[in-house]
Amino acid sequence: RKEVEQDPGPFNVPEGATVAFNCTYSNSASQSFFWYRQDCRKEPKLLMSVYSSGNEDGRFTAQLNRASQYISLLIRDSKLSDSATYLCVVNKNGTASKLTFGTGTRLQVTL
Amino acid sequence: EAQVTQNPRYLITVTGKKLTVTCSQNMNHEYMSWYRQDPGLGLRQIYYSMNVEVTDKGDVPEGYKVSRKEKRNFPLILESPSPNQTSLYFCASSLWTGKNSPLHFGNGTRLTVT
Repeated sequence: RKEVEQDPGPFNVPEGATVAFNCTYSNSASQSFFWYRQDCRKEPKLLMSVYSSGNEDGRFTAQLNRASQYISLLIRDSKLSDSATYLCVVNKNGTASKLTFGTGTRLQVTL
Repeated sequence: EAQVTQNPRYLITVTGKKLTVTCSQNMNHEYMSWYRQDPGLGLRQIYYSMNVEVTDKGDVPEGYKVSRKEKRNFPLILESPSPNQTSLYFCASSLWTGKNSPLHFGNGTRLTVT
């Protein structure tokens, strides 16, 4: 089983739709969690950290379920500019040296 | 402008010809790391450095070397490149090594080894 698993997609959604991605992780001792966004052929950029109580940043909501070992990202009112690959990132041991990246979920928002 | 700078952006070379990919950050970050990204495999860590003169292997270090003589620079060296090292490479840095310190990535180096 992969340490971090994501549905590769693509998720094709119309503008204005709500879309959600899940990511599962295998190491129950994992300590911190992130969503990064990667545009085609570009570098990944931090979208948001994921906190135990869930957190929101504008149209984006991240949730953590430790019991089931998954994190989720919800995007409301999708924009064309949200089209990208979303990478789930898990920190295994509490230091930046042990980040594990998922392979990403591709989102395509269309008119 | 705060950034991580990698060079070159694109590189085509032949098997066995030593090459270096440079990485420099101007944010006084302690932590630096190299990743390679391949289709279906995601980003995999090659080497990382927690501070000057401190480097350690990541998940896929074979065939690579690094050095951290200065805080700002973290070059990736391929002594004898092989075709299986054809990949997209990213350098990244973060302010400190704690679990919530976000990574800042360079804009990538696409390497082809023939």
